[in-house]
Amino acid sequence: AQSVTQLGSHVSVSEGALVLLRCNYSSSVPPYLFWYVQYPNQGLQLLLKYTSAATLVKGINGFEAEFKKSETSFHLTKPSAHMSDAAEYFCAVSESGTASKLTFGTGTRLQVTL
Amino acid sequence: AAGVIQSPRHLIKEKRETATLKCYPIPRHDTVYWYQQGPGQDPQFLISFYEKMQSDKGSIPDRFSAQQFSDYHSELNMSSLELGDSALYFCASSLGLGPGTSYEQYFGPGTRLTVT
Repeated sequence: AQSVTQLGSHVSVSEGALVLLRCNYSSSVPPYLFWYVQYPNQGLQLLLKYTSAATLVKGINGFEAEFKKSETSFHLTKPSAHMSDAAEYFCAVSESGTASKLTFGTGTRLQVTL
Repeated sequence: AAGVIQSPRHLIKEKRETATLKCYPIPRHDTVYWYQQGPGQDPQFLISFYEKMQSDKGSIPDRFSAQQFSDYHSELNMSSLELGDSALYFCASSLGLGPGTSYEQYFGPGTRLTVT
C-alpha cells in the first residue's frame, strides 16, 4: 500500500517569500511522485513528477521538488511566491513501472499575501 | 494542445435518479482513470481502464459502473443516486504501457454533480 502525508493543510506566505510545501510518502515499492495544483472550481494541473531519474525535479511556474529517499520526502519549493500561486496543492504517489492509480495527500492550501 | 474533455461540466439530479458522465482522453492516450472529489476532500480513485479493459478498481460503489469504448472514451454510469454522491468527478488520461510511457496523468476539468 502507498500513501502520502502533507504536513500543513494551510500555508501562508508573503509575496516574494520562499514557498515550501511538505510531502512525505510511504510505499512498499519504488514510487512515482507527483505534485498537482488545483485552482478553485478547476481541474488538477500537473506541476512536476519524479519517476526515478534525477532527484531534483523542475516543474512549471518556477516550482521544483527534491526526492529524498532517506527522508521519504518530496517537498515542493519555489524561491519567490507570486499572488497567482494561491491555490490548493496536492502531492500524489503511484507505483513505479505501471500505469496505476494516484493516491493523493489531503492537500495544502497556499495563501499568498501582499 | 488537446486536453481531456469531460461532459457535462455540471449536472443536477434528484435522489434515486441516474447519471452518465463522459470522458474523452487526450488523443493517443489509452488509459483512463476516474476520481471522485468531495467538498474539501482530496480526489479518491474510483476505477481505471487500459485498452478498454478494467485495469484497477478503487472505492467505487456497486451502484456505479464504467466502461471504455473502442475510441477510448469512457463513461461513468451512476444509478440510484444519493445525496452523498454530490462531488466533483474527474477523468484523467495517460499513455499506458506502450512506448514513451511517462505514467503522468492529465486531468479533465471535472463534472460537478449535485444530487438534491
